[in-house]
Amino acid sequence: TQLLEQSPQFLSIQEGENLTVYCNSSSVFSSLQWYRQEPGEGPVLLVTVVTGGEVKKLKRLTFQFGDARKDSSLHITAAQPGDTGLYLCAGVGYQLIWGAGTKLIIKP
Amino acid sequence: DAGVTQSPTHLIKTRGQQVTLRCSPKSGHDTVSWYQQALGQGPQFIFQYYEEEERQRGNFPDRFSGHQFPNYSSELNVNALLLGDSALYLCASSLGGQGDPLHFGNGTRLTVT
Repeated sequence: TQLLEQSPQFLSIQEGENLTVYCNSSSVFSSLQWYRQEPGEGPVLLVTVVTGGEVKKLKRLTFQFGDARKDSSLHITAAQPGDTGLYLCAGVGYQLIWGAGTKLIIKP
Repeated sequence: DAGVTQSPTHLIKTRGQQVTLRCSPKSGHDTVSWYQQALGQGPQFIFQYYEEEERQRGNFPDRFSGHQFPNYSSELNVNALLLGDSALYLCASSLGGQGDPLHFGNGTRLTVT
């Protein structure tokens, strides 16, 4: 059974701090997607990483796909209250495999 | 260009009842997937419909069934509701290729009492 483990499950930090969220698996994925979900809304795709070792930047967010395509990380620089939400990773294989999410709260 | 729309937004049902949730996909999308999401958790895949057929199914009992119409809209039906079925039900549409980005609706919050 393919599993995606996200860590930490919950993170509460002050505005301006940096943070990293991890998404790990023992399985290889053809690509990996990151979504952000805000309360009362559905998840919204942030980025898809495809190539092992790939790094993608989205303003203050940096996404990295592991060389072996089994893990990924999301780094946020100078976090802002607007970054608050549930961050979900999803691995693309035969089915889309979802992590349980990291609930991120940025305090002003 | 309307995104994914789901109805109703909220629903309260009693144990044993049946419920139907509806989803209209994003314009141009032909594939609809349904997910169940418990509070603070990641989505759990229920099933996916393409060309009016169930193409993939997650680990959900037969009480969960669905349908896709010729206009690509979809319904999720749950029979014999249990308290544990209380959750946010999300519909996502895509172009159908494995790995194509999913566009989610805002979900239907189902409460079973």
